[in-house]
Amino acid sequence: EVQLVESGGGLVQPGGSLRLSCAASGFTFTTYWMAWVRQAPGKGLEWVANIKRDETEKYYLDSVKGRFVISRDNAKNSLSLQMNSLRAEDTALYYCARVRYGDPPGTFDYWGQGTLVTVSS
Amino acid sequence: DIQMTQSPSSLSASVGDRVTITCQASQGIANYLNWYQQKPGKAPKLLIYDASNLETGVPSRFSGSGSGTDFTFTITSLQPEDFATYYCQQYDHLPGLTFGGGTKVEIK
Repeated sequence: EVQLVESGGGLVQPGGSLRLSCAASGFTFTTYWMAWVRQAPGKGLEWVANIKRDETEKYYLDSVKGRFVISRDNAKNSLSLQMNSLRAEDTALYYCARVRYGDPPGTFDYWGQGTLVTVSS
Repeated sequence: DIQMTQSPSSLSASVGDRVTITCQASQGIANYLNWYQQKPGKAPKLLIYDASNLETGVPSRFSGSGSGTDFTFTITSLQPEDFATYYCQQYDHLPGLTFGGGTKVEIK
């Protein structure tokens, strides 16, 4: 059974940093692109970042480019999102998602339950 | 970025009703269009991929159609467990994956 479990969310002040993690199991992690998708409270879904199997390609939402870094540790079946210079508008539930095989790599076939990030003073 | 205009933003329907949701892309995206269902407090669930392909395990009352800029999602006979919010999502272009604004399907 595919499982994605996020952790690392919390309350952080504007300008602060936070690192999210996602533990993957139940599938061959090294063969899939992975992604982060977020959802602000009461709002819709917003894609944040994608990362290729071998980390050779990474893509970001314009508003997080230069502030967020997506990475993965294939030896540990783990996905991460380092978030710096956080803003109030980054407040959201952050989902880890598996990207289904295919080209372009943009279909999210499994999702975690999310970890909440709140940016507030 | 490609904008996805989803309508309606909400609708009220009864069990057994046929429900249709539309999604329009700001430019052509071939068939690179997915549909997700999200229930309150839960993660989204993939229902339809590549505009018209039913994800494994998803009931056949759900269907999708369209290509280019105009897409349709249909539930042929609404069931109690279908009351949820539905999102379209395009993946024609990386970076810049975008979702529609969502359609909340409520009980009439």
